[in-house]
Amino acid sequence: GEDVEQSLFLSVREGDSSVINCTYTDSSSTYLYWYKQEPGAGLQLLTYIFSNMDMKQDQRLTVLLNKKDKHLSLRIADTQTGDSAIYFCAERVTGGGNKLTFGTGTQLKVEL
Amino acid sequence: EAGVTQFPSHSVIEKGQTVTLRCDPISGHDNLYWYRRVMGKEIKFLLHFVKESKQDESGMPNNRFLAERTGGTYSTLKVQPAELEDSGVYFCASSRLGPGVRDTEAFFGQGTRLTVV
Repeated sequence: GEDVEQSLFLSVREGDSSVINCTYTDSSSTYLYWYKQEPGAGLQLLTYIFSNMDMKQDQRLTVLLNKKDKHLSLRIADTQTGDSAIYFCAERVTGGGNKLTFGTGTQLKVEL
Repeated sequence: EAGVTQFPSHSVIEKGQTVTLRCDPISGHDNLYWYRRVMGKEIKFLLHFVKESKQDESGMPNNRFLAERTGGTYSTLKVQPAELEDSGVYFCASSRLGPGVRDTEAFFGQGTRLTVV
């Protein structure tokens, strides 16, 4: 079945690294995504990773995938106040069409 | 190019009333999706249109929800009659048809916050 879990809150200091974790249960995931939602805005795709990859880096963002443990993480280096938002992980599974299964979202708060 | 737009941004209605949400996808996007986030919980898939056809409506909660996409352009989601548990944020997304993940990246609207009192 499809179930994606995330911790609800994370608080970091400006300049530190943030690590947001996600676990999923469906082993037939093909793509895994990270979306960002700022207040009053829609969901913005930040990055994605193929299920056969272990790591993907994109500027300040690093995605790590442990397929054996079904664990996905998003690391934000040098976290800024503008990174404060809700971060959702999502998976797309084989045979599921293009629909996404989302986690509960992690509220990231960046403090000065 | 305009993004995905949703109307209204907020709606407060009484239990038993009817509400219709609208989504205008990005022009040329054949895929259109509806999702819902109930307070503090995960974003859940409701249904998927390909052009005017319902491809997957497995996430629709019950028959009080009716989605349409006449002509394959904008879509409406009607809730009739609304219940308290229907409160949440309703997101619409659209994407192109295509073989790769880049082709099918889903672009989301800002959502409609529905409050049923």
